[in-house]
Amino acid sequence: SQQGEEDPQALSIQEGENATMNCSYKTSINNLQWYRQNSGRGLVHLILIRSNEREKHSGRLRVTLDTSKKSSSLLITASRAADTASYFCATDAIYDSWGKLQFGAGTQVVVTP
Amino acid sequence: DVKVTQSSRYLVKRTGEKVFLECVQDMDHENMFWYRQDPGLGLRLIYFSYDVKMKEKGDIPEGYSVSREKKERFSLILESASTNQTSMYLCASSPSGTGNQPQHFGDGTRLSIL
Repeated sequence: SQQGEEDPQALSIQEGENATMNCSYKTSINNLQWYRQNSGRGLVHLILIRSNEREKHSGRLRVTLDTSKKSSSLLITASRAADTASYFCATDAIYDSWGKLQFGAGTQVVVTP
Repeated sequence: DVKVTQSSRYLVKRTGEKVFLECVQDMDHENMFWYRQDPGLGLRLIYFSYDVKMKEKGDIPEGYSVSREKKERFSLILESASTNQTSMYLCASSPSGTGNQPQHFGDGTRLSIL
């Protein structure tokens, strides 16, 4: 079952602009992760935020988590052409003893020079 | 650097064939996963394994089986391939533990069933 849903489905911006994408999920979670996927490649882990955290930074990435709204956002600041990729959120639900990840359908980001 | 290697990037098979997809990781990870990725559906978990010879069904196990005889290798088997199994297949691994560990992915196998 698909737990996370990203919004928007697609985003087109110019280099230097910020890119923001959102993830909503349905059930209570332990952790939320964001991944990037370049065309034709596997997913690469970007950042993990725990359910008791509200914000986390890693380089040009900023992730927020609002467990009351069951939503998260990923902000990429000062975007570059190399940021062109699909971005996925993944959650592990509290009820799942195995801690399996449920992925959303992704946001496709295109950064033009 | 961590590495998950999938044996083929592209594969074309015929309906009814038995298909093997292989995945090897060099990180001594306990957990290994097989996903399929289809446009608009994201990644869906087929099977995962938390130890050698151990396996658990994911969300869409029908038509698939898996084998994990060695810690570093996790194989996905399509018992009798069908056209609706045409997809991108991704293998991943992670250390022991639950969802608080990042998963490391291979580059995927794009499988076409004719």
